[in-house]
Amino acid sequence: AQSVTQLGSHVSVSEGALVLLRCNYSSSVPPYLFWYVQYPNQGLQLLLKYTTGATLVKGINGFEAEFKKSETSFHLTKPSAHMSDAAEYFCAVSDSDMRFGAGTRLTVKP
Amino acid sequence: DTGVSQNPRHKITKRGQNVTFRCDPISEHNRLYWYRQTLGQGPEFLTYFQNEAQLEKSRLLSDRFSAERPKGSFSTLEIQRTEQGDSAMYLCASSSGQGGANVLTFGAGSRLTVL
Repeated sequence: AQSVTQLGSHVSVSEGALVLLRCNYSSSVPPYLFWYVQYPNQGLQLLLKYTTGATLVKGINGFEAEFKKSETSFHLTKPSAHMSDAAEYFCAVSDSDMRFGAGTRLTVKP
Repeated sequence: DTGVSQNPRHKITKRGQNVTFRCDPISEHNRLYWYRQTLGQGPEFLTYFQNEAQLEKSRLLSDRFSAERPKGSFSTLEIQRTEQGDSAMYLCASSSGQGGANVLTFGAGSRLTVL
């Protein structure tokens, strides 16, 4: 069965610092991987996805993620955090249906 | 298109009552999903439909829960004899196509509070 594990339920960074949110997946078939963001009182929005092809995927708002098969990882990064990045981030893996990790809450300090 | 619409946005009910949530997906999307999300957790898969066919149900979906998508358009999720443990945000999402690479578009959710 497919699943994802997000390491760290809460990450705090200073504004302008690197953001790194970790995700490891388990899948019996080549995975489709996603990152979603959830702002307070809003629905989940897609940040980026990996299906096939280039392993470095660029998303919205300056985020990117790299698919590493050897490490079964799909970590999310952003070079410079902005206050508006504060939100809950969810990694997900999909086969026929989509399964989500527990989420990582990102706090950005001024 | 206004996206995925869920109603009601909030529902407060007493234990033992029945509740029903409605989801209107993006009109051209053939797949519709229901998830449950509790505070501090990720969305937990409940069930999904392809057109009107319910293709998969999670073991989380006890016999008190039933979902329908009668004409392959909107869907309802009914919870019978609600329990306090049912308190959660119920999320609906839709997508087009059949493969796992399809992006899910989520609604804002329906929050259930069982007293």
